[in-house]
Amino acid sequence: EPEVTQTPSHQVTQMGQEVILRCVPISNHLYFYWYRQILGQKVEFLVSFYNNEISEKSEIFDDQFSVERPDGSNFTLKIRSTKLEDSAMYFCASSVSRAYNEQFFGPGTRLTVL
Amino acid sequence: GQQVMQIPQYQHVQEGEDFTTYCNSSTTLSNIQWYKQRPGGHPVFLIQLVKSGEVKKQKRLTFQFGEAKKNSSLHITATQTTDVGTYFCAGAGGGNKLTFGTGTQLKVEL
Repeated sequence: EPEVTQTPSHQVTQMGQEVILRCVPISNHLYFYWYRQILGQKVEFLVSFYNNEISEKSEIFDDQFSVERPDGSNFTLKIRSTKLEDSAMYFCASSVSRAYNEQFFGPGTRLTVL
Repeated sequence: GQQVMQIPQYQHVQEGEDFTTYCNSSTTLSNIQWYKQRPGGHPVFLIQLVKSGEVKKQKRLTFQFGEAKKNSSLHITATQTTDVGTYFCAGAGGGNKLTFGTGTQLKVEL
């Protein structure tokens, strides 16, 4: 069964450093998403991406964040200058279409900012 | 902004007992989805409800979408230890963005 993959599974970084989280969505999916989940809390939407551009973003997704689909398979989330409060699990997800948007989540990347 | 609340926050049941979690949105939803997250895992899609008043069943799980499309519930009949996890509702307001609820953590004891 096709699945969303994410790398790395765990990333430790120093405050102020840049990180890039990588995702490979399911191959025939057209919509891509990033969510984050602070330990023990709910899943929070960051951004959705379709047709090589951002379609929606939350207030969390400020200028420190950016997304890119550099080739036909990868979807990346960059945090330019990490803060302590960016420590969380980051999930990538993808869905087939807008009309039926069952979202398939990857296993997540745990980001720890020291 | 849109807020989605769930109650209860935690529920401990004995195996075989029923379980219900309730989800309420501050705004009308175009559809609602339910996800299950096992401890240490990622959200896994369970179902999507689109129509006002819709009821769907998956084996021991029954999902309802309210008439006003602002609330939903998930009921599990005769819980099993495999049902352990956190159940999230997630509302779509019109775009593809999902606003997740606060979640209900279910623990099932033998």
